[in-house]
Amino acid sequence: QQKVQQSPESLSVPEGGMASLNCTSSDRNFQYFWWYRQHSGEGPKALMSIFSDGDKKEGRFTAHLNKASLHVSLHIRDSQPSDSALYFCAASKNYNQGKLIFGQGTKLSIKP
Amino acid sequence: EAAVTQSPRNKVTVTGGNVTLSCRQTNSHNYMYWYRQDTGHGLRLIHYSYGAGNLQIGDVPDGYKATRTTQEDFFLLLELASPSQTSLYFCASSDWTGTETLYFGSGTRLTVL
Repeated sequence: QQKVQQSPESLSVPEGGMASLNCTSSDRNFQYFWWYRQHSGEGPKALMSIFSDGDKKEGRFTAHLNKASLHVSLHIRDSQPSDSALYFCAASKNYNQGKLIFGQGTKLSIKP
Repeated sequence: EAAVTQSPRNKVTVTGGNVTLSCRQTNSHNYMYWYRQDTGHGLRLIHYSYGAGNLQIGDVPDGYKATRTTQEDFFLLLELASPSQTSLYFCASSDWTGTETLYFGSGTRLTVL
């Protein structure tokens, strides 16, 4: 079983709407989380990291972490067509361990 | 922005064939990684390295060898390629001394017939 599980598998949101992506870890040792985004034909690129419980906001993107439930989410407000991409949640056990484990991804489509 | 270059972009080989995927980063990062991407599985770590001559085993290492010849260069070797190794391969680098961000290359699509 994958140690980092994402849901939903795919998501369609109207332009200007709110997109919400979820990620759950099955390993309590994972304490550090990232969100990556991959546009078609490109490599993944880091969006944001979150290491502490609560919310972290960067522009239209807000990440939320609940370490007790091993749950992290990403919310995209005012979704744009350019947000259409594959989104990955990634986790690490230690800040400087060097090993990052990825989830299976959520495909987000923004409908004009 | 950090630069990671992979070659080739596409590769087709036959079962039992010998394949080498190349990756070069010009950012003086100490960590380099090889991942494979498959639908439904996301990105899975094959091997990684924290410096020249070092190799760490990832989560799906079977059938793969890797070698880090310099700080810049990391190679992935498939000595007896099988159809199950048909995939999109990504190389990444990171310095893990503050930025903790992985910088990915553009990928190599490998098809094993």
